[in-house]
Amino acid sequence: EDQVTQSPEALRLQEGESSSLNCSYTVSGLRGLFWYRQDPGKGPEFLFTLYSAGEEKEKERLKATLTKKESFLHITAPKPEDSATYLCAVLRGSTLGRLYFGRGTQLTVWP
Amino acid sequence: EAGVTQFPSHSVIEKGQTVTLRCDPISGHDNLYWYRRVMGKEIKFLLHFVKESKQDESGMPNNRFLAERTGGTYSTLKVQPAELEDSGVYFCASSHEVAAYGYTFGSGTRLTVV
Repeated sequence: EDQVTQSPEALRLQEGESSSLNCSYTVSGLRGLFWYRQDPGKGPEFLFTLYSAGEEKEKERLKATLTKKESFLHITAPKPEDSATYLCAVLRGSTLGRLYFGRGTQLTVWP
Repeated sequence: EAGVTQFPSHSVIEKGQTVTLRCDPISGHDNLYWYRRVMGKEIKFLLHFVKESKQDESGMPNNRFLAERTGGTYSTLKVQPAELEDSGVYFCASSHEVAAYGYTFGSGTRLTVV
């Protein structure tokens, strides 16, 4: 059964304290891996797509990496405005269009 | 450009009643998706439209759910009759191409069945 598992479920960081979020997946025929950010009462907001192992993408304080089994979202020197739930989702080639989501990591950055 | 619009933002209905959710995708996006998140679970796929055709409806829970997309523009998701387990947040998303740059999600409709 295809699975997307995110860890930790929740993470509290002090402002400036760098860390990483993990997304592990057991999906056959990976077509792409997506990272989203979700704020309370809002829909997921697209951050990155990664397509192949070894690929990296960066945006401000965020950097996403991909291996054959997992992806990491590295947050460097986070700020309180980075507080949100971060979601990972995968796309399979055989069910194109359908995203499989993890449950997310709720990140809180305190000043 | 305008984003994906969903309404209502909240709906509270009694068990057995009917509710219709609406989604207006980004103009020009042929692909439209419905997802749902029930409390404590991950966001799960319901169905995928390409223009007005259902490309994949394998995630629809049962025949109480009916989705339509009129003329390849806006979409509705009707739940009839609603059950308690239908409570959750229903998200709509749209994209120009599948798997290109991610999907743009709406803010969701929070449905509570009492």
